Amino acid sequence: GNSVTQMEGPVTLSEEAFLTINCTYTATGYPSLFWYVQYPGEGLQLLLKATKADDKGSNKGFEATYRKETTSFHLEKGSVQVSDSAVYFCALSPRGGATNKLIFGTGTLLAVQP
Amino acid sequence: SQTIHQWPATLVQPVGSPLSLECTVEGTSNPNLYWYRQAAGRGLQLLFYSVGIGQISSEVPQNLSASRPQDRQFILSSKKLLLSDSGFYLCAWRPRTGTNEKLFFGSGTQLSVL
Repeated sequence: GNSVTQMEGPVTLSEEAFLTINCTYTATGYPSLFWYVQYPGEGLQLLLKATKADDKGSNKGFEATYRKETTSFHLEKGSVQVSDSAVYFCALSPRGGATNKLIFGTGTLLAVQP
Repeated sequence: SQTIHQWPATLVQPVGSPLSLECTVEGTSNPNLYWYRQAAGRGLQLLFYSVGIGQISSEVPQNLSASRPQDRQFILSSKKLLLSDSGFYLCAWRPRTGTNEKLFFGSGTQLSVL
């Protein structure tokens, strides 16, 4: 079946530190991969996505590369800010079908301290 | 532009009481619609999805039901709430056609069943 595994949080970093949040997936075929972010008290927003192997999604200084050989989509940022504090969800969308369901990981809370 | 509205933002209900959460989408037609639940420490779980009026698919057996009485309206209901129904409920939509697999989320409803 399809599933997403994320590193457990919380992840606590100082401002300007390097961030990595690990995400691996299990899927039949070649899914699309996503990172969503949920700021406190809000719904989810798409942060970045990649639709095929070796694609790199990027947005707001965050990056993630679709690695088929390791079935991974790790999220990275070179220098985090306090405003990046949020919950980050890795997700996949199985290829094909009309429903385009998203399957999410459990989320990783990131807390950035000044 | 398209917008999604979800209400109420917070809700406190006693065990055994009924539930009705409403979600509407504006600025688009024939969207796919989704209800997700985010339980504490458990990440996001897809509850229901709908590809058209009156068409509801349930992903997990549960105490809740969903209905789609109009094209852009999606309702989550329960006749008798359980403690385990507490959580953060998110409505989402995506275009029925096209290759864009991005989901657009509402701002969520925090439900506390006491």
